[in-house]
Amino acid sequence: AQKVTQAQTEISVVEKEDVTLDCVYETRDTTYYLFWYKQPPSGELVFLIRRNSFDEQNEISGRYSWNFQKSTSSFNFTITASQVVDSAVYFCALSQGAQKLVFGQGTRLTINP
Amino acid sequence: DGGITQSPKYLFRKEGQNVTLSCEQNLNHDAMYWYRQDPGQGLRLIYYSQIVNDFQKGDIAEGYSVSREKKESFPLTVTSAQKNPTAFYLCASSLQGGAGYGYTFGSGTRLTVV
Repeated sequence: AQKVTQAQTEISVVEKEDVTLDCVYETRDTTYYLFWYKQPPSGELVFLIRRNSFDEQNEISGRYSWNFQKSTSSFNFTITASQVVDSAVYFCALSQGAQKLVFGQGTRLTINP
Repeated sequence: DGGITQSPKYLFRKEGQNVTLSCEQNLNHDAMYWYRQDPGQGLRLIYYSQIVNDFQKGDIAEGYSVSREKKESFPLTVTSAQKNPTAFYLCASSLQGGAGYGYTFGSGTRLTVV
């Protein structure tokens, strides 16, 4: 069965530090999708990125970057020069077939001024 | 703007009561989902529906019921059989068979048993 593990329950850093959120997944599917969502204090999950299993290129979007490595079944998320507004809970998710997503436990990130 | 509306934002339930959480979407999405979020446990799937008049149990369906009479609406009833209903409930939608495109989420309902 699909499984997503976010081993870091909570991370706290000082503003402007770089921080990496880890995500390790398990699946037997050959085609699958990986996601990162951000959950600010308001509660709604906000989509950040989608990556399919055939595309191992790293992606950068502003201060955000993602490193996908099939060899280690990891899809890590790095925030460069963190800001207080980055404080949130971040979820990694994996598609389970065509119909469902399986979510990790989430990592609570706190950026201190 | 298209989106998902969950109501109410906060809900209080007395012991032994059934309560219904509303979820409405105007994204023309076929699939809808209910997740429960507890601290430190991530999101767990309660029920999901791929088309109108059809739905499937998720991982923690006991004590919950749903209906899907309209494409736009997927209400969740928390019954008295749910022993520990205090949690944050999130509704989501996607294209049918579209887990690969990800979900759009509502802003959630926080349910508290008093």
